[in-house]
Amino acid sequence: NAGVMQNPRHLVRRRGQEARLRCSPMKGHSHVYWYRQLPEEGLKFMVYLQKENIIDESGMPKERFSAEFPKEGPSILRIQQVVRGDSAAYFCASSLSSWATNEKLFFGSGTQLSVL
Amino acid sequence: AQRVTQPEKLLSVFKGAPVELKCNYSYSGSPELFWYVQYSRQRLQLLLRHISRESIKGFTADLNKGETSFHLKKPFAQEEDSAMYYCALSEVLTGGGNKLTFGTGTQLKVEL
Repeated sequence: NAGVMQNPRHLVRRRGQEARLRCSPMKGHSHVYWYRQLPEEGLKFMVYLQKENIIDESGMPKERFSAEFPKEGPSILRIQQVVRGDSAAYFCASSLSSWATNEKLFFGSGTQLSVL
Repeated sequence: AQRVTQPEKLLSVFKGAPVELKCNYSYSGSPELFWYVQYSRQRLQLLLRHISRESIKGFTADLNKGETSFHLKKPFAQEEDSAMYYCALSEVLTGGGNKLTFGTGTQLKVEL
């Protein structure tokens, strides 16, 4: 099991372009979380998804950001019309269930987004 | 709103010296707290959680509700402990699942 896979590791975009970040959870995991880490800050929750459903998106910016986790394929975090302030490390994490007390959350290596 | 504070960005100790990484939290409910660690070029991984009351790699952390703290301690630092450490607080989401609130992290450097 290769663990949570995120790609690309590094993504460079110019202002106004779209960024698509992909996350393949661990095999058998159907729960995915996205976190963002701005420079000099801790990781901040963005969205929680289960297969084909967004469960909680309370941490997502209201505009330009969207996430999906289709029945087949990876979870996608999409940022439209990127701005310099979107430059950050984006981490995905997955769990087997809705993270009961003894469940672990497994993190990917992250995608570093740089907006020029 | 819940908040996690790690006051030290960098903590440098000598090998064999005791280590204490500070973490304070703000939360209105009953907190569930974690320490995550990120070794160089590796992924963020769970180190320990307070409900387990376990010792992992010699590290322990005690929840002090009176002081709202969850400091991470180890009596004798080892070179391989050098890493970034994050304290995190869990909150159950309305629709299920859990949301972690992370501190800004403390870089631990163990010197020979």
